[in-house]
This record gives sequence, C-alpha cells and structure tokens, in this order.
Amino acid sequence: EPEVTQTPSHQVTQMGQEVILRCVPISNHLYFYWYRQILGQKVEFLVSFYNNEISEKSEIFDDQFSVERPDGSNFTLKIRSTKLEDSAMYFCASIRDYNTGELFFGEGSRLTVL
Amino acid sequence: DAKTTQPNSMESNEEEPVHLPCNHSTISGTDYIHWYRQLPSQGPEYVIHGLTSNVNNRMASLAIAEDRKSSTLILHRATLRDAAVYYCILLIQGAQKLVFGQGTRLTINP
Repeated sequence: EPEVTQTPSHQVTQMGQEVILRCVPISNHLYFYWYRQILGQKVEFLVSFYNNEISEKSEIFDDQFSVERPDGSNFTLKIRSTKLEDSAMYFCASIRDYNTGELFFGEGSRLTVL
Repeated sequence: DAKTTQPNSMESNEEEPVHLPCNHSTISGTDYIHWYRQLPSQGPEYVIHGLTSNVNNRMASLAIAEDRKSSTLILHRATLRDAAVYYCILLIQGAQKLVFGQGTRLTINP
C-alpha cells in the first residue's frame, strides 16, 4: 500500500537553528499538507500546498516557516530560526483529490528544540 | 470552522461493538463528515467519511442522522488495536484542510 514517508523521524536542534523536515508524498497525489502536534495537544493545521504554491496557511505558519517542492517528489518544511515552542511532532499528509476524502498522513518527524 | 462535539473518552470491551457519537449541529448541506483516528505514536489515519447516507467499509460503519446534526462511528467488533483517539471532523465545501478537535480517547479492555 502506498504511503507518505517522512525524514528524519527525530531531530534535536538548538534554539535559533534552521531545520528542514522532509516528506515524500504518495506519487499521484496533488494536495500536500503539514500539520503539527505539540505533546498532549491536538493536531493543528499549518499549511496546504497545491499546484506548486501555498493554497492556505494558518496563523502558526509565520515568516519563520516555508515550504517547498523542489524536485516534484519531495515536499519540505523549513523552520528558519527555531524556538522552544516549535518542539512538536510534524506530520506531512497528501491527497489525490479532495472529493475522495482520504488524507494520507506520514508517521511524523519529532522536533525537539533545546 | 464548523465545530463538532465528542465525548472526551469512552471505554469498551474487546470483541464488543463500539458506538462513538459526534454532534455537529451547525453542519451545512454540503459539509462532509469525516472520521480519523490516531493510534499512539502514529500519524492520523483515515477511517471513513460520508455526506448523507450511511457508509460501510472494512474498518467501520458511519451512521448519519436524518437531519445530519449528529453521526455515530460504529466499530462492529473492537480489538485491542482499536484503542486510539477518534476524531470527528467536518470538511467544509471548498475548504482544503481538516480541522481536528480534541477527539474521543477510546480504551479497549481485554
């Protein structure tokens, strides 16, 4: 069964450092997403991406965040200067067509900012 | 964003049916009802979705009230692997994101 893969599974970084989280969505999917989940809290939407541009972003997704699909397969989330409160599990997700309803999530990348 | 209301937690026994309720009184005619679940240390997983009619798939059944203001996710025979947080989410027409609530934490007793 096709799956969304994410790397790294866990990254530890110092506050102020740049972090790039990588995702490989399912190959024929058209819509891509980043969500995050702070430990013990709910899953929060960060950004959606379609047709090589951001289609929607939340207020969490400020100027420190960016997304890119550099080569037609990878989908990356960059945090330019990490803060302690960026510590969370980051989930990538993709869907072929929103009418099908089934969003596929990756296993997540745990980011720990010290 | 359209809101859903779910109990914080529920408990059931292995091999028994589980009925997880969700209220969505502000639903509009074109909003889809989605259910996802999150097992410990994993990403959310799609379970089922529907619009007006009841739906069945290999994982579960979705019973939608006639007025669509509530729905029930039915696990016909719970196993220990069904222990998870279950999220009821409304997908608003034209929206391209899911908005997760707090969900229902389901515990399955052996």
